[in-house]
Amino acid sequence: GDSVTQMEGPVTLSEEAFLTINCTYTATGYPSLFWYVQYPGEGLQLLLKATKADDKGSNKGFEATYRKETTSFHLEKGSVQVSDSAVYFCALSQTVQGAQKLVFGQGTRLTINP
Amino acid sequence: DVKVTQSSRYLVKRTGEKVFLECVQDMDHENMFWYRQDPGLGLRLIYFSYDVKMKEKGDIPEGYSVSREKKERFSLILESASTNQTSMYLCASSSPGHSLSYEQYFGPGTRLTVT
Repeated sequence: GDSVTQMEGPVTLSEEAFLTINCTYTATGYPSLFWYVQYPGEGLQLLLKATKADDKGSNKGFEATYRKETTSFHLEKGSVQVSDSAVYFCALSQTVQGAQKLVFGQGTRLTINP
Repeated sequence: DVKVTQSSRYLVKRTGEKVFLECVQDMDHENMFWYRQDPGLGLRLIYFSYDVKMKEKGDIPEGYSVSREKKERFSLILESASTNQTSMYLCASSSPGHSLSYEQYFGPGTRLTVT
């Protein structure tokens, strides 16, 4: 079945460092791809998405490009802040019984030190 | 503003008890979902519903049931709680339709401990 694999965490960086969190997927068909973020004590919220190959999603300085040839959707940010500390989930969508369903990776905990 | 609320943030129950987790959304969404979140495993889908009184099993439905009597409310039921059901439970909802790009909106989660 469809699956998502993220780089293992936790990841600890200093403020203003460059961030990459790797995400690869296995899927039949052409899923949409998502990055969700979970701040401490909160539920998940959508960070960015891409719906077809070569699309780039971006939000709050984060970017990810849908690469069909490498089945990847890596998350990047040029200069991280302490407020970016959170757990990040990569996900793909699939249709089941006519409803959109998400398949999540295991999550990557990111800590940014001042 | 979009809102998904869950009845409790923290819950402690004893083994064998029947447990109800409630979720309410105010966006008139037709699709609603229940996930459990465990460290190193990400989110796993328990059940989802694409309409009132409709339900579909997700990836890990064993030991759980659901109820959707009204469009805005989706309940997760643990018929006889066990310690391996200690987890964070997250509810989500999404817009109707067949598009694969619809965003899911999540509640804050209920951390359930079964002793």
